[in-house]
Amino acid sequence: QVQLQESGPGLVKPSETLSLTCSVSGGSISAYYWSWIRQPAGKGLEWIGRFYPGADTNYNPSLKSRVAMAGDTSKNQFSLKLKSMTAADTAVYYCAREKGDCSSTSCYFSGNTLEIWGQGAMVTVSS
Amino acid sequence: QSLLTQPPSTSGTPGQRVTISCSGSSSNIASNAVTWFQQLPGTAPKLLIYNNDQRPSGVSDRFSASKSGTSASLAISGLQSEDEAAYYCAAWDDRLSGVLFGGGTKLTVL
Repeated sequence: QVQLQESGPGLVKPSETLSLTCSVSGGSISAYYWSWIRQPAGKGLEWIGRFYPGADTNYNPSLKSRVAMAGDTSKNQFSLKLKSMTAADTAVYYCAREKGDCSSTSCYFSGNTLEIWGQGAMVTVSS
Repeated sequence: QSLLTQPPSTSGTPGQRVTISCSGSSSNIASNAVTWFQQLPGTAPKLLIYNNDQRPSGVSDRFSASKSGTSASLAISGLQSEDEAAYYCAAWDDRLSGVLFGGGTKLTVL
């Protein structure tokens, strides 16, 4: 069964770049969309973006200028980089895999059918 | 940031049926599939409903959902104490080319 695990620094200084990695076990990162979502303490979920290895990416317009996502199929991992961090970026960051609606020839990914989640990584922005 | 609109909280007693609404617009709920997530305290969200009304395997049939126009709703029947959680709706937004979440509804089982 597929499992996801986020890793990265728990503390980031203001103006620095956050780098998080999501390691995938039990399945390949190829042929799926992978997403990042965050949740400030006591608040709701915010979609950061998603990517398809070697192809498509979609980012939240409010974060687009600061976000980059990429995959490493050789390590079966994917990453999130978020530049110019501020206190407002303090949150639990989740990685997730989308469920595809597949026929015999292709799969459709809706963007919001996030079927497998990591446990989350707490990131605090503070000097 | 734009959000789908959910009531912040709701409550019910064991055995009762409760519903949670999710309101959007023509660019999201009306034209794309809605998903629902359950988030128990201190845990990652769990996919509860996808494609408007489909349950993943392993999700109790006490959970059901529907969509009409720019709104969707989640129903929980036979309420149990373990249903106490936050519930989020989500939909792709064609105008933003991204996923919108609802603000979340905290369900309390009295």
